[in-house]
Amino acid sequence: DAGVIQSPRHEVTEMGQEVTLRCKPISGHDYLFWYRQTMMRGLELLIYFNNNVPIDDSGMPEDRFSAKMPNASFSTLKIQPSEPRDSAVYFCASSFSGTNGAFFGQGTRLTVV
Amino acid sequence: QKEVEQNSGPLSVPEGAIASLNCTYSDRVSQSFFWYRQYSGKSPELIMSIYSNGDKEDGRFTAQLNKASQYVSLLIRDSQPSDSATYLCAVGGSGGYNKLIFGAGTRLAVHP
Repeated sequence: DAGVIQSPRHEVTEMGQEVTLRCKPISGHDYLFWYRQTMMRGLELLIYFNNNVPIDDSGMPEDRFSAKMPNASFSTLKIQPSEPRDSAVYFCASSFSGTNGAFFGQGTRLTVV
Repeated sequence: QKEVEQNSGPLSVPEGAIASLNCTYSDRVSQSFFWYRQYSGKSPELIMSIYSNGDKEDGRFTAQLNKASQYVSLLIRDSQPSDSATYLCAVGGSGGYNKLIFGAGTRLAVHP
C-alpha cells in the first residue's frame, strides 16, 4: 500500500482565497483524522470520521473550515476564506478500527499571505 | 488542564544512555496509548502502542503504562544520534470512538 496520500504538498495562497486540501487514506482503514500542526499549538485534532461519517468536529476552529468524506477513499478539508493565521502544516491520518494507531500522510504546508 | 501533557524539553542525553520520556493524560476511560517519532519537517511516525498496564518492549524501545496514575512513558535504550527527534504521546479510545489526541511532544537530543 502507498500509505496515506495528501495533496498538494505545499500551497501558497492569498488571504481571502479558498483552499482545498485532499487526502486518500490507506485502503481498508475506517477512521480518518485531520490535524493541524503549528509551533505554538502543536498537533491539534480538527475533525475525525468513522466509516465516512463525521464523529467529532469540535476542533474545527471556525465556520470557515469544513471537511467532507464522500467515500472511503477520499476526504477534503476546505478553508474559505483563508486567513494568514491558518498558515500551518495540515496532516491527514487513517486508522483501522481506531485502536491500532493512526498512520500519517506527508502533510500539506499551507502558507496564507 | 490539557488532555495529554508532555515536557517540551529539550531532553539531552549522551550516546549510549537511556532516554526516558513521560506523558500524563486526563481522561480516565482512555483505552489505547501510542508513541510517535517526528523528525524535523517530516510527519509523525508510529513507533509503539500499548493497551494494558505494564511494560511492552520492542527492540531498543520500551513503553510503560500505569492507568491508575494516568501515566505513559517511553524508554529508549542505547540512544543513538539518529534518535534525535520530537516524540509525541497520543491517547485514544474513550467515549466509544477513537478520538486520538496528541501531546505537544518532547524534543530529544542525543549527543555523541
